[in-house]
Amino acid sequence: QQPVQSPQAVILREGEDAVINCSSSKALYSVHWYRQKHGEAPVFLMILLKGGEQKGHEKISASFNEKKQQSSLYLTASQLSYSGTYFCGTAGGGADGLTFGKGTHLIIQP
Amino acid sequence: NAGVTQTPKFQVLKTGQSMTLQCAQDMNHEYMSWYRQDPGMGLRLIHYSVGAGITDQGEVPNGYNVSRSTTEDFPLRLLSAAPSQTSVYFCASSRTFRSHEQYFGPGTRLTVT
Repeated sequence: QQPVQSPQAVILREGEDAVINCSSSKALYSVHWYRQKHGEAPVFLMILLKGGEQKGHEKISASFNEKKQQSSLYLTASQLSYSGTYFCGTAGGGADGLTFGKGTHLIIQP
Repeated sequence: NAGVTQTPKFQVLKTGQSMTLQCAQDMNHEYMSWYRQDPGMGLRLIHYSVGAGITDQGEVPNGYNVSRSTTEDFPLRLLSAAPSQTSVYFCASSRTFRSHEQYFGPGTRLTVT
């Protein structure tokens, strides 16, 4: 099943903060976050693993509540370049692949 | 490294025609997958493979076939194209699907008339 993301869309002014949420109905091993610009492929932001390990390479933070099967992505002091659609992907303990949510559209205005 | 490559970039098919979308990676990744992206639906998993010779169905496999005879290649076959298969198709690869970054190809925009 697809994880559920909220909100569906956010409009911010440059410098404001945003939180994007992701929840799943299945037990999770990991949560992945990607950003996609219009007409381009998704780009990796971060992975959060069961047990607390995080892997990422941008100045964006995230949390993963294993018991609630939820994750949140925190975008602080947003920049114009943060605009795009954010997807969370979830992977369980079985061999059922990585499934993505419907995305959250983020618009940053100057 | 070329990363993940997909061909063609654009394709128009008539209903009932068949075709193969090509995907190749040169990173020696075990995991490869196909997604389709439709407005408001996010990325939906069609088929995936955890290694050469092993494939499995994702969320929306009907109308598509895959095979994985080599580590590098993971083609997606449309058996009899339907207008409902009009979409953007992305191929992705990674070392593992649980713990590693997915590398996406540039996508194939398919229109079925």
